[in-house]
Amino acid sequence: DVKVTQSSRYLVKRTGEKVFLECVQDMDHENMFWYRQDPGLGLRLIYFSYDVKMKEKGDIPEGYSVSREKKERFSLILESASTNQTSMYLCASILAGSYEQYFGPGTRLTVT
Amino acid sequence: LAKTTQPISMDSYEGQEVNITCSHNNIATNDYITWYQQFPSQGPRFIIQGYKTKVTNEVASLFIPADRKSSTLSLPRVSLSDTAVYYCLVETGNTGFQKLVFGTGTRLLVSP
Repeated sequence: DVKVTQSSRYLVKRTGEKVFLECVQDMDHENMFWYRQDPGLGLRLIYFSYDVKMKEKGDIPEGYSVSREKKERFSLILESASTNQTSMYLCASILAGSYEQYFGPGTRLTVT
Repeated sequence: LAKTTQPISMDSYEGQEVNITCSHNNIATNDYITWYQQFPSQGPRFIIQGYKTKVTNEVASLFIPADRKSSTLSLPRVSLSDTAVYYCLVETGNTGFQKLVFGTGTRLLVSP
């Protein structure tokens, strides 16, 4: 079974802090994604990566950056956390040429 | 960019067949239709994917008419454990991941 793990299930940070959300997948998938999920808005794509050191902006990249130094790991960075970044963050991966995304359990981030 | 429209919520009873319809009027020739299921506090899980006509797996069936402007997810004989949010997604190949739009999904409630 493909496993996508995220570093934390729950995280509380203060406004202005730098926040790192880590995602690791164990199936050698080329493509990885970061989404945020908010009530009434569904899932929105923040960034995705189709290879090591490659990244592409999704629909809502503002206030976020990403890092993909190894194939299995995709990090989401909030340079200076703000309260409007309080959300559920979901990581996903997919094998190139496939349409089945595998999601992690999510990280519920609260910025106070 | 193919936006999807689904009912916000649906109610059903155990043992009934549930059909959830998704509208995607601007679907492009290379787009596939994918459905995901999400339980509370979990990431979405792939259910089924199709391009045209009918696709069936052990979990659900997907009906896509010839014009492909809509699709219907059919869940046979639902149980209480099928209570979840169901997302319809239109995906464009590996080069189009930035076009992913999950939408707000359909919240299905199955009652005894």
